[in-house]
Amino acid sequence: EAGVAQSPRYKIIEKRQSVAFWCNPISGHATLYWYQQILGQGPKLLIQFQNNGVVDDSQLPKDRFSAERLKGVDSTLKIQPAKLEDSAVYLCASSLLRLAGYNEQFFGPGTRLTVL
Amino acid sequence: AQRVTQPEKLLSVFKGAPVELKCNYSYSGSPELFWYVQYSRQRLQLLLRHISRESIKGFTADLNKGETSFHLKKPFAQEEDSAMYYCALKNTDKLIFGTGTRLQVFP
Repeated sequence: EAGVAQSPRYKIIEKRQSVAFWCNPISGHATLYWYQQILGQGPKLLIQFQNNGVVDDSQLPKDRFSAERLKGVDSTLKIQPAKLEDSAVYLCASSLLRLAGYNEQFFGPGTRLTVL
Repeated sequence: AQRVTQPEKLLSVFKGAPVELKCNYSYSGSPELFWYVQYSRQRLQLLLRHISRESIKGFTADLNKGETSFHLKKPFAQEEDSAMYYCALKNTDKLIFGTGTRLQVFP
């Protein structure tokens, strides 16, 4: 089965520019996550979707970050305008719909963003 | 506050030596803990979870609630174990990751 797909793999922009990342989860996975991983740190959850609804966006800097999953499948994460501190790897993950217990999260390859 | 601490950024051992990657957590309630691994040029993937109490690739991890620890152990390290290892704590449906430990196994 195909894994989580992300594009682009790398992106370099200047501060104050806008950027968008795309994620295609594993087929049938209702839950989708976006993580930010700054160099030297572990992944930090930005937003979690269940189908096309937001479950948790408590750590999403909403003044500049936005995310959507309109049809409950693909998702896009946007930063506008970007700051130097947004330089990080952006990871997308997906899992089956949680009914009870824990459903394993499967991660994509990530998008490495450099803000100059 | 929920937190995961991995005190070592880098752990270097020789092949065949025992390995212990440390993980401590802070959580009010009954924790669920995991180890994730990222090999060079590969994706982050689940290695093991404490609930299943399994051994994966020779690695084991025991949850010690008294010491709030979930250390990852392997009696004899192999070169292919070289990777980044992340300890993670489940909070509702969200994972809280530690900062990771890079394991280097020399031949």
